[in-house]
Amino acid sequence: AQSVTQLDSHVSVSEGTPVLLRCNYSSSYSPSLFWYVQHPNKGLQLLLKYTSAATLVKGINGFEAEFKKSETSFHLTKPSAHMSDAAEYFCVVSTGGTYKYIFGTGTRLKVLA
Amino acid sequence: NAGVTQTPKFQVLKTGQSMTLQCAQDMNHNSMYWYRQDPGMGLRLIYYSASEGTTDKGEVPNGYNVSRLNKREFSLRLESAAPSQTSVYFCASDRPSSEAFFGQGTRLTVV
Repeated sequence: AQSVTQLDSHVSVSEGTPVLLRCNYSSSYSPSLFWYVQHPNKGLQLLLKYTSAATLVKGINGFEAEFKKSETSFHLTKPSAHMSDAAEYFCVVSTGGTYKYIFGTGTRLKVLA
Repeated sequence: NAGVTQTPKFQVLKTGQSMTLQCAQDMNHNSMYWYRQDPGMGLRLIYYSASEGTTDKGEVPNGYNVSRLNKREFSLRLESAAPSQTSVYFCASDRPSSEAFFGQGTRLTVV
């Protein structure tokens, strides 16, 4: 069975400081992993995806994530937060099973001026 | 390049009323999905369609029906709306080995 755990429901950082959003997954098979961002009252936009190529994945807007199989983690990072990064972030796992995509419960990122 | 288009964007229903949420994609994707998003629960799959002519239940199908009208369109129907169906509904589509593409969502309130 697949599952995704986002370890923090809320994260606050100051503008210009690093961002770390944590995600752990459980999967019986080699997973594909995704991070999506949702700005207020908007749809979900893909930030980045891991599909068994390089373990360090670079995405849009300066975000990146590292797939660590031994730790079953796929944490999202950004060196320097910007006010426009304030949003909700979803970690998603997929192994192509019945429900295809399993979503974490989301992490709301707040960026303080 | 429209991607996934959902209508309406907002809707208020009275308990017991019915309505259909529309979704269309222009990316020639075979698979389409309907999710609901509730605070603190992420997105949960209601129904999906792996190809034209097929539909299957997801995690939370009770109270909903779907129709895959053609390759482009996948509608979600609430036959008798209940307050528990107040939520934000997202349609998505994908092709094999790709990510999902989402619409902008429909914010539904049932009073």
